[in-house]
Amino acid sequence: NAGVTQTPKFQVLKTGQSMTLQCAQDMNHNSMYWYRQDPGMGLRLIYYSASEGTTDKGEVPNGYNVSRLNKREFSLRLESAAPSQTSVYFCASSPVEIRTTEAFFGQGTRLTVV
Amino acid sequence: ELKVEQNPLFLSMQEGKNYTIYCNYSTTSDRLYWYRQDPGKSLESLFVLLSNGAVKQEGRLMASLDTKARLSTLHITAAVHDLSATYFCAVVGYNNNDMRFGAGTRLTVKP
Repeated sequence: NAGVTQTPKFQVLKTGQSMTLQCAQDMNHNSMYWYRQDPGMGLRLIYYSASEGTTDKGEVPNGYNVSRLNKREFSLRLESAAPSQTSVYFCASSPVEIRTTEAFFGQGTRLTVV
Repeated sequence: ELKVEQNPLFLSMQEGKNYTIYCNYSTTSDRLYWYRQDPGKSLESLFVLLSNGAVKQEGRLMASLDTKARLSTLHITAAVHDLSATYFCAVVGYNNNDMRFGAGTRLTVKP
């Protein structure tokens, strides 16, 4: 019963370093999302992918890139990390065509940029 | 652009009392979700609301949707300590898959 799996769970980066957050889902969902969660600000959408091969910007895309590698996997890349990117990152997936089903979330990646 | 506003942001309740959390959104939506988050944890789905007038209940929580007013409510009846958590509404925009969240309501239920 894997659902949505994110790796890593924790990461500390130095300013200017790069890294990729991985996300995979095994529910055959078309849509996948990346959010960041900061205290008092809810979850803000970084990028989303409505289907394999497509990606769109969300509310806060600057400083990030994404790749929808295949239907299962959606990665988020920080090319040059900044302290402002310290946050908890959540990946989610949703079977959009099944409107009665909610989006499922991974366990989160806690990223600290020093 | 789809925007979602929740209020209140903080809610402190006595056990046994009732209260309502409000979720307003700015554009036509396809559906609305309510989620619960415990500290340090991921999000747990509570309700999926699709159509105008939809009402769903689970235990002491009841959610409703008024698409004409672009408003959803989460009503808490006779609160208990176990309901202490942060509650989020999320709205999926019509004709796209963009899903936006409110800022969340941090609920504390005191004995």
